[in-house]
Amino acid sequence: DQQVKQNSPSLSVQEGRISILNCDYTNSMFDYFLWYKKYPAEGPTFLISISSIKDKNEDGRFTVFLNKSAKHLSLHIVPSQPGDSAVYFCAASASSWGKLQFGAGTQVVVTP
Amino acid sequence: KAGVTQTPRYLIKTRGQQVTLSCSPISGHRSVSWYQQTPGQGLQFLFEYFSETQRNKGNFPGRFSGRQFSNSRSEMNVSTLELGDSALYLCASSPSLLAGALRTQYFGPGTRLLVL
Repeated sequence: DQQVKQNSPSLSVQEGRISILNCDYTNSMFDYFLWYKKYPAEGPTFLISISSIKDKNEDGRFTVFLNKSAKHLSLHIVPSQPGDSAVYFCAASASSWGKLQFGAGTQVVVTP
Repeated sequence: KAGVTQTPRYLIKTRGQQVTLSCSPISGHRSVSWYQQTPGQGLQFLFEYFSETQRNKGNFPGRFSGRQFSNSRSEMNVSTLELGDSALYLCASSPSLLAGALRTQYFGPGTRLLVL
């Protein structure tokens, strides 16, 4: 049962434009959400997180938006850079510690 | 500070065999989690260990087991391998189970297992 879904397996965006990655979840107990970035042959690295008491968190070029009523979150990357080409995973947890449920990932390709 | 290391990096086994994967967490980290990554499924949580005790377990059959040693190093074992066990197995360590620990969870590069 996939409780965290990333319905877009891939996204192609031009350098300098905005990348928008989407993630939906079904478990209303989730209250902590994270985005990870993964390059080939490396493990995922933490990018940005948001707790359910917020609806937006920003860190440099990365902003995560949370819509609890829609059980939806999104990651915005502005501006997109070639080094952002990677697989992005959305993850959720029912507490600020505990096992993570991951989405299937979205492959982002930033073209010059 | 050295990162999370996993050995071996690549492994080929045949159906029915068993395999043991190793994970050395970042020095000082006491929590180790294991994940299985397959195409289209993302990362599936296997189990989490803290201070040599399994704290959380995912929905995997009993063929998947793990343990943690007193130095926080962890091993996972898969017995009676099946073709569907072919995956990237990732280990992650964090300092504790306290609030915010997920932000400080660091992943290793993974062990790619191929079952023939």
